[in-house]
Amino acid sequence: SYELTQPPSVSVSPGQTARITCSGDLLPKEYAYWYQQKPGQAPVMVIYKDSETPSGIPERFSGSSSGTTFTLTISGVQAEDEADYYCQSADSSPSYHVIFGGGTRLSVL
Amino acid sequence: QVQLAQSGPEVEKPGASVKVSCKASGYTFTNYYIHWARQAPGQGLEWMGIINPSDDNTVYAQKFQGRVNMTRDTSTSTVYMQLSSLRSQDTAVYYCARGDFGDANLDYWGPGTLVTVSS
Repeated sequence: SYELTQPPSVSVSPGQTARITCSGDLLPKEYAYWYQQKPGQAPVMVIYKDSETPSGIPERFSGSSSGTTFTLTISGVQAEDEADYYCQSADSSPSYHVIFGGGTRLSVL
Repeated sequence: QVQLAQSGPEVEKPGASVKVSCKASGYTFTNYYIHWARQAPGQGLEWMGIINPSDDNTVYAQKFQGRVNMTRDTSTSTVYMQLSSLRSQDTAVYYCARGDFGDANLDYWGPGTLVTVSS
């Protein structure tokens, strides 16, 4: 079945730029979405349709895509950005279903 | 503001069924899908299925077909997810989330409902 692959962990220092990748064969045809999840909380959408930022999400969050890889970029990382991040897409074969990546733990050192 | 309020934690025995509710407010209930996803302890997110509150149509993930049933009550703007034949591996936090028609985003999430399956 179709999969989205993320690195298990990414570490950065405060103020640096964090990049989290998500690869999957369907990404050129389907949009990708990103969610932030802090411990004990529900996920929050931080990027939709590859690169759009929902209202209320800080401008330091951005998304981009190239071929079969989608990248979440957090510029000027802050301590509060430490969380798990999940990419997500959808597929219609053989029937509609939503797929999540395995998640990436972002550590702010 | 958009809110999804979920029912409280449940403890069930193996083989039993559980029914979790998700009450929507702050928007027109029939204009958006409701997705269900779950997260086992220390694990990632797993999508279970989707319901269209306007016509009651559902699509379930292949893994849960035959065991899950999603329904809605438009009079109370509430969606229900029932999972049957529970086993210990079903112990997880179950989330409902709102989704746009024609898009695959899950833009607002409920706080989650912990379901524990234990003998």
